[in-house]
Amino acid sequence: DVKVTQSSRYLVKRTGEKVFLECVQDMDHENMFWYRQDPGLGLRLIYFSYDVKMKEKGDIPEGYSVSREKKERFSLILESASTNQTSMYLCASSINPTDYYGYTFGSGTRLTVV
Amino acid sequence: AQKVTQAQTEISVVEKEDVTLDCVYETRDTTYYLFWYKQPPSGELVFLIRRNSFDEQNEISGRYSWNFQKSTSSFNFTITASQVVDSAVYFCALNSNTDSWGKLQFGAGTQVVVTP
Repeated sequence: DVKVTQSSRYLVKRTGEKVFLECVQDMDHENMFWYRQDPGLGLRLIYFSYDVKMKEKGDIPEGYSVSREKKERFSLILESASTNQTSMYLCASSINPTDYYGYTFGSGTRLTVV
Repeated sequence: AQKVTQAQTEISVVEKEDVTLDCVYETRDTTYYLFWYKQPPSGELVFLIRRNSFDEQNEISGRYSWNFQKSTSSFNFTITASQVVDSAVYFCALNSNTDSWGKLQFGAGTQVVVTP
């Protein structure tokens, strides 16, 4: 089975801190995605990557950046955490755009910024 | 642009009742894919079904069934004889050919609460 692993299940960070959320997939998927999930808003795409060292902005990239130095790892970076970035963050990967299963998701990181 | 609407925020049922989750989508493409995912309390989204735009045949898998109607741009999901384990958030999602190739557009989700 494809596995997408997010390094932390829960994180508490202080306002202004630089925060790294790590995501690793083990099935050689080309595509990786970062979403944030908020009640009533569903999942919103932050950034995605179709290849190593490649990144594209999603719908809500402000306040975030990403890094993909290796195919299996896709990191989300909060340059200066703010309280409005308190959310559930979900990483996902897929083989290609028409992958039958859509995405494979990690279990999520619930980030609280205080 | 593409859009997915799940108008029901939360549905509460008693065990063994049927529950139907609505999903309405918008896309200008003729080729697209629709998905349903389940998110249990553990947090990980679990794939349930994929349907492409050229296949309007309804599908049944155990207690789950899906009704895809292009005429109304809807892809509704029914759980028959609900069980407590069905309690979760359910997301409908769309991947269209040109609007956002490879990127899933999600609805807001519907929380299903099944009580014994």
